[in-house]
Amino acid sequence: AQTVTQSQPEMSVQEAETVTLSCTYDTSESDYYLFWYKQPPSRQMILVIRQEAYKQQNATENRFSVNFQKAAKSFSLKISDSQLGDAAMYFCAYRSAWDTDKLIFGTGTRLQVFP
Amino acid sequence: DSGVTQTPKHLITATGQRVTLRCSPRSGDLSVYWYQQSLDQGLQFLIQYYNGEERAKGNILERFSAQQFPDLHSELNLSSLELGDSALYFCASSVDQRRETQYFGPGTRLLVL
Repeated sequence: AQTVTQSQPEMSVQEAETVTLSCTYDTSESDYYLFWYKQPPSRQMILVIRQEAYKQQNATENRFSVNFQKAAKSFSLKISDSQLGDAAMYFCAYRSAWDTDKLIFGTGTRLQVFP
Repeated sequence: DSGVTQTPKHLITATGQRVTLRCSPRSGDLSVYWYQQSLDQGLQFLIQYYNGEERAKGNILERFSAQQFPDLHSELNLSSLELGDSALYFCASSVDQRRETQYFGPGTRLLVL
């Protein structure tokens, strides 16, 4: 069974600085998808970024980028030029490309942004 | 706004009762997923429907059931409620089963007293 591990329960960053959130996963599959979701205090789950395992190029979305290391089964999220609105819980998630479509989530990292 | 709607936003009920949570997927999405977020279990997949048919089951209790109607909206029924069922219940939708991103609704916060 696949698992997703987020080893940083909490992280903090100064406004305008850069922060990296870590995620590792375990799978025997070669084709899958990885996601970062953001959950602000409103509790809404918002998609931040998506990575397809068969693509070597790291995904980027504006200030958000990932470092996808397939061999190491690592999928970290880098937030550049951090803003107060980035403060939230961040969840890493895995989805198989061939099995069920369920998302398997990590336990989350709470990000605090200080002015 | 993801385009996925869920009602009600909040629900307070007593142990032993039954509740129904409703989800309307994004326009054009055929697949609906239900997830439970609780303090002790984290975010867990419950069940998936695709175009009216059940496609996958996760850690869904026998006291819970779901269905997807011809207009593609879905309902999650929770019965014989226990204190431990208190959680945030999310619905998500995607265009089809494969290779598509799931977009989440705002969730229904259930409190069982």
